[in-house]
Amino acid sequence: GAVVSQHPSRVICKSGTSVKIECRSLDFQATTMFWYRQFPKKSLMLMATSNEGSKATYEQGVEKDKFLINHASLTLSTLTVTSAHPEDSSFYICSAHPDGPPNYGYTFGSGTRLTVV
Amino acid sequence: AQSVSQHNHHVILSEAASLELGCNYSYGGTVNLFWYVQYPGQHLQLLLKYFSGDPLVKGIKGFEAEFIKSKFSFNLRKPSVQWSDTAEYFCAAGATTLFFGTGTRLTVIP
Repeated sequence: GAVVSQHPSRVICKSGTSVKIECRSLDFQATTMFWYRQFPKKSLMLMATSNEGSKATYEQGVEKDKFLINHASLTLSTLTVTSAHPEDSSFYICSAHPDGPPNYGYTFGSGTRLTVV
Repeated sequence: AQSVSQHNHHVILSEAASLELGCNYSYGGTVNLFWYVQYPGQHLQLLLKYFSGDPLVKGIKGFEAEFIKSKFSFNLRKPSVQWSDTAEYFCAAGATTLFFGTGTRLTVIP
């Protein structure tokens, strides 16, 4: 079945540094990938839609310059948290569905726990 | 505006009890509906999905959900829960983009 690999699973970084999170579709191509942030005791919030070969579409309230998204190929999207601050600490999850019929559904990566100290 | 509501924040059941988790959505146009489960320490997994056709959808692990268009609802059910069903359950709706409910934590007591 469709598999999405997300790396790293955990990362601790110092305040002011940048962190890159990768999201790969292992056995399918995805023109579109999605980045979510999960807040404690709250739902998954869609941050942005990553589009291969074009600019990402950000949800209202998400800072484009802080959360840089690059979708350079049909199997890889990256999220870079720039100049990270402690309030950026969270659980980030990517998802994708194959560029085929919608019946494949969405597959999620295993998530990245970011801790900014 | 698109939104998904899950009214049960935390449900505690004994093993063998029946389960029903509520999900209501607000979405313009044709909507696809999903239930995802997140077991402790694991990532989201798809339980079941509805695109069209029979409004009663059967998923994995004995779960099912019923799409009631008139009520904008897609409630999740299981006749008899097990301890291993302890997890966080998310309802989601959308077409090309998914919007999630706030999740329901299910605790099953042996």
